Amino acid sequence: QQQVKQSPQSLIVQKGGISIINCAYENTAFDYFPWYQQFPGKGPALLIAIRPDVSEKKEGRFTISFNKSAKQFSLHIMDSQPGDSATYFCAASSLGGKLIFGQGTELSVKP
Amino acid sequence: GAVVSQHPSRVICKSGTSVKIECRSLDFQATTMFWYRQFPKKSLMLMATSNEGSKATYEQGVEKDKFLINHASLTLSTLTVTSAHPEDSSFYICSAGQGGDTGELFFGEGSRLTVL
Repeated sequence: QQQVKQSPQSLIVQKGGISIINCAYENTAFDYFPWYQQFPGKGPALLIAIRPDVSEKKEGRFTISFNKSAKQFSLHIMDSQPGDSATYFCAASSLGGKLIFGQGTELSVKP
Repeated sequence: GAVVSQHPSRVICKSGTSVKIECRSLDFQATTMFWYRQFPKKSLMLMATSNEGSKATYEQGVEKDKFLINHASLTLSTLTVTSAHPEDSSFYICSAGQGGDTGELFFGEGSRLTVL
């Protein structure tokens, strides 16, 4: 019940395209859903996060869509750029609780 | 955002020795810090939750005598890998939060441990 399932494992997108990564969770106590970006040899950096009281949040080219009833959330990267090539992790936690990570998606944006 | 600093970024040691990794919150106080371990091309696995002034809480399957965690102050937590073996080679990452309602965690840059 603590798992967060992420897909796809890897993703190749052309420059200018839309990258979509999906996550699903089971624990209804989760109320914080962040996305992290990680470059090789670096720690993860917070990209964008959402709480279940909204269905969508947008920051620049990054959008989280949240479906509470389906217990799913996704990250959309618009106008994907080669510099976006990295590993992306979704995560979930309840307030003050442990952050549980998805399995990660390796995104490659081709020029 | 807030800054979390880890040191060292890379360490190579001989089998049987102990290695200490430091995690500091530079511009905020963190009553709780988290330690993760990450294998190549894998996700982050939570090892333990470090609480200032009290014992760390370890996740199931993590040897607390092998991975000693000390949270001596509100800005410093340390992870000591004792009697390191090659299978302990990994990327260790800490995180800390400012508390409050945001739940946002800030991650260090990670420490690459290689045990020969």
